Amino acid sequence: GAGVSQSPSNKVTEKGKDVELRCDPISGHTALYWYRQRLGQGLEFLIYFQGNSAPDKSGLPSDRFSAERTGESVSTLTIQRTQQEDSAVYLCASARMNTEAFFGQGTRLTVV
Amino acid sequence: GQQVMQIPQYQHVQEGEDFTTYCNSSTTLSNIQWYKQRPGGHPVFLIQLVKSGEVKKQKRLTFQFGEAKKNSSLHITATQTTDVGTYFCADNTGGFKTIFGAGTRLFVKA
Repeated sequence: GAGVSQSPSNKVTEKGKDVELRCDPISGHTALYWYRQRLGQGLEFLIYFQGNSAPDKSGLPSDRFSAERTGESVSTLTIQRTQQEDSAVYLCASARMNTEAFFGQGTRLTVV
Repeated sequence: GQQVMQIPQYQHVQEGEDFTTYCNSSTTLSNIQWYKQRPGGHPVFLIQLVKSGEVKKQKRLTFQFGEAKKNSSLHITATQTTDVGTYFCADNTGGFKTIFGAGTRLFVKA
C-alpha cells in the first residue's frame, strides 16, 4: 500500500477484555515498530521487529502485551485483560534499514 | 544502551519568536533524524543528518549536527501557529532500531 495502515482507528473496550491491534507496513520495509503514546506524552517504545531476527521486546510493559509479525508483513499487537492505564494511542511504524520511519495513523484505545 | 535526551520538554512562544530544541547523546551517533507530530496526528519525518557539523535548512527550520556527533538542534525562526506540535529527534545509529527522544512540545500563541 501507499503507507502504513493501522486498524481499527478507534477501539473502545471494557476493562478485562482482550484487544488485538493490526498494522500493515509499507511493502519492502524490514523494520516494524510499535509505540504507545499517552495523551500529551512522548513515544513509548514497545517492540521492534527486524526481518527474520528475534524481536526486541524490551519495551513491553507487562506480560499482558504481546506482538507477532508474519515475515515482513502484517503485525498484530495483543493486549490481554485490558486495564484503564492501557488507554492510549498505539502507533505502528515501518522502515527500511538506514532510512526514516513511516508511521501509521494509530489506533486510539479506550478502556472503560 | 542507546538513549537520546531531548530538551526542553515544553516551550511556549509568542508568534514571531524563535524556538530551539536540543537533542543530546552520551554516545557518538551515526545519524540523527527529526520528526514533527501535529496535534492529533502521527510523527512525520522531517530530515536526517549524517555528517559531523552538518547544517541543513528547510525554509524557517535549521537543523544542526554537532561536530562530535553527540548532539543536534532544531531551530525555528519566527514561529507561526502552523509550527505547533511536538518535535522528536531520533537516533538510528547502526541502521537498526530507531530510538526516539521524549520530544519537545511547542505551543505558539498568536
